[in-house]
Amino acid sequence: DTGVSQDPRHKITKRGQNVTFRCDPISEHNRLYWYRQTLGQGPEFLTYFQNEAQLEKSRLLSDRFSAERPKGSFSTLEIQRTEQGDSAMYLCASSYRASNYGYTFGSGTRLTVV
Amino acid sequence: KQEVTQIPAALSVPEGENLVLNCSFTDSAIYNLQWFRQDPGKGLTSLLLIQSSQREQTSGRLNASLDKSSGRSTLYIAASQPGDSATYLCAVRGSGDKLTFGTGTRLAVRP
Repeated sequence: DTGVSQDPRHKITKRGQNVTFRCDPISEHNRLYWYRQTLGQGPEFLTYFQNEAQLEKSRLLSDRFSAERPKGSFSTLEIQRTEQGDSAMYLCASSYRASNYGYTFGSGTRLTVV
Repeated sequence: KQEVTQIPAALSVPEGENLVLNCSFTDSAIYNLQWFRQDPGKGLTSLLLIQSSQREQTSGRLNASLDKSSGRSTLYIAASQPGDSATYLCAVRGSGDKLTFGTGTRLAVRP
């Protein structure tokens, strides 16, 4: 297993377009998390899944954002009608459910909305 | 609401120096604390994970300590090298199973 994979690495889109990002977690991990990081800040929590169930969504996740994890494997994060304020690094992480495990992060998807 | 603070925000040291990065958190009810490294434009690489019942963890030239009752952790880097230049992030895992991050310490090690 090669860790958490995210695709694409970079995405440039025009304002108003829809974008979708993919995350493939470590296969044995049953929890998957999405975070967003803007320049000079620490990552902020967006949402997480246990298997295919979305357990929590941050208030940062507006109605334009939707995340899925069909069959408890890979996950997608879609942003509809992108705005310039959506420009950020979108990070995916996975972990075991047990609280004594750490997180493993992917390399992130850098979104630029022009 | 958990808040994590990292001091200093930026640090520049000459190669070979030992250094300490600080992290503080407001809610001591945590499961563990994780230190990450982030290179510019890249994802996060986990450095050390300390469970709430532990006092410290070591990996190579890195040593992280945790004082849960006072809400503090330190990351000690021995004999710093230019390759250590990066942003170091501290994150705590608390109730609700989310990580709460600090804003990081940007480290530059001068040759």
